[in-house]
Amino acid sequence: GDSVTQMEGPVTLSEEAFLTINCTYTATGYPSLFWYVQYPGEGLQLLLKATKADDKGSNKGFEATYRKETTSFHLEKGSVQVSDSAVYFCALSEAGNTPLVFGKGTRLSVIA
Amino acid sequence: DTGVSQDPRHKITKRGQNVTFRCDPISEHNRLYWYRQTLGQGPEFLTYFQNEAQLEKSRLLSDRFSAERPKGSFSTLEIQRTEQGDSAMYLCASSPDREEAFFGQGTRLTVV
Repeated sequence: GDSVTQMEGPVTLSEEAFLTINCTYTATGYPSLFWYVQYPGEGLQLLLKATKADDKGSNKGFEATYRKETTSFHLEKGSVQVSDSAVYFCALSEAGNTPLVFGKGTRLSVIA
Repeated sequence: DTGVSQDPRHKITKRGQNVTFRCDPISEHNRLYWYRQTLGQGPEFLTYFQNEAQLEKSRLLSDRFSAERPKGSFSTLEIQRTEQGDSAMYLCASSPDREEAFFGQGTRLTVV
């Protein structure tokens, strides 16, 4: 079945550092890919998405590019802030029409 | 609209008791999903509804679990004869057709 693997955390960075959280997937078809974020005490929020190969999703300074050849959707941000501290989940949905399959999540802590 | 609402936010119950959770989706969202999230894991799909029809159930959903969505609006998830292994965060999400899911803040269940 479909699955998502993301790098294990926790990840601790200093403010203004560069962030990469790796995500790879296994799917039978052509999935849509998502990054969700969960801030402390809050529900999951969609951060960005990409629906086909080579699409780049972006939001709040975060970016991720759908790489079909490497089955990857790595999350990047050029300069993290303390307010980015959260748990980040990579997820997929077959053709954007099936329930989401999530990775285990990566906890990011940004220190001033 | 205030988003997806779940009630209660926290529930502590004794092993063997029945519990019921409620989810109110965003108005006019056709799809409603239930997920379960345990510590250090990503959300795992349980079941989903298209309007009032329950279209898919995960094998994680044992016969002690039942979900309903009467009239295609709010949904309830009932767990009968709770076990300690049922302790988790239960997440509800809703979406318009073929779009990203919007999550509630979850119901944290503790079985003692």
